[in-house]
Amino acid sequence: AQKVTQAQTEISVVEKEDVTLDCVYETRDTTYYLFWYKQPPSGELVFLIRRNSFDEQNEISGRYSWNFQKSTSSFNFTITASQVVDSAVYFCALSERVNKLVFGAGTILRVKS
Amino acid sequence: NAGVMQNPRHLVRRRGQEARLRCSPMKGHSHVYWYRQLPEEGLKFMVYLQKENIIDESGMPKERFSAEFPKEGPSILRIQQVVRGDSAAYFCASSPFPGQGGYTFGSGTRLTVV
Repeated sequence: AQKVTQAQTEISVVEKEDVTLDCVYETRDTTYYLFWYKQPPSGELVFLIRRNSFDEQNEISGRYSWNFQKSTSSFNFTITASQVVDSAVYFCALSERVNKLVFGAGTILRVKS
Repeated sequence: NAGVMQNPRHLVRRRGQEARLRCSPMKGHSHVYWYRQLPEEGLKFMVYLQKENIIDESGMPKERFSAEFPKEGPSILRIQQVVRGDSAAYFCASSPFPGQGGYTFGSGTRLTVV
């Protein structure tokens, strides 16, 4: 069975600090996809990244970076130099070849000025 | 290119009424997925539809909930005889093909049952 664990319920940081959001997943499949979504206070789900299980290369996009490690079944998300606008709930999700996402419980990130 | 469009954005229903939530997928997308975000339960898959077909409804409650994606028009999630526990955010996603993710979500419909 698929499972996504986001152990950090809530994180508070001060602006300009770096912050890492953890994501650990469980799957029996060798082919799967991992995602991160952002849910700002306005409520929509904003797609941030998709990674497939065959691509362990880390990715950087501006202040965002992702560290995918199959050996530890983790797909962690780091925000560098956090800003108040980064305050949101962040969800990690997993999809095997079936057509649905399994979401983690989410991590609330509060960035204070 | 318009994204996934959901309407209404907010919906208030009295207990016992019906709720109809609409989802128009992105242009060229023929696969639609509905998810529900309950306050204490997180985001859960409900149903996956292709045009005129339900492919996977394993996450749908057995009673009062139904979904369709007709040949023409938006996908509809229908909740009959709503109860307070149905209050949630309902999100729709679409994709051009199945099985590979990259799902783009609509802004959601927030249903409040009073």
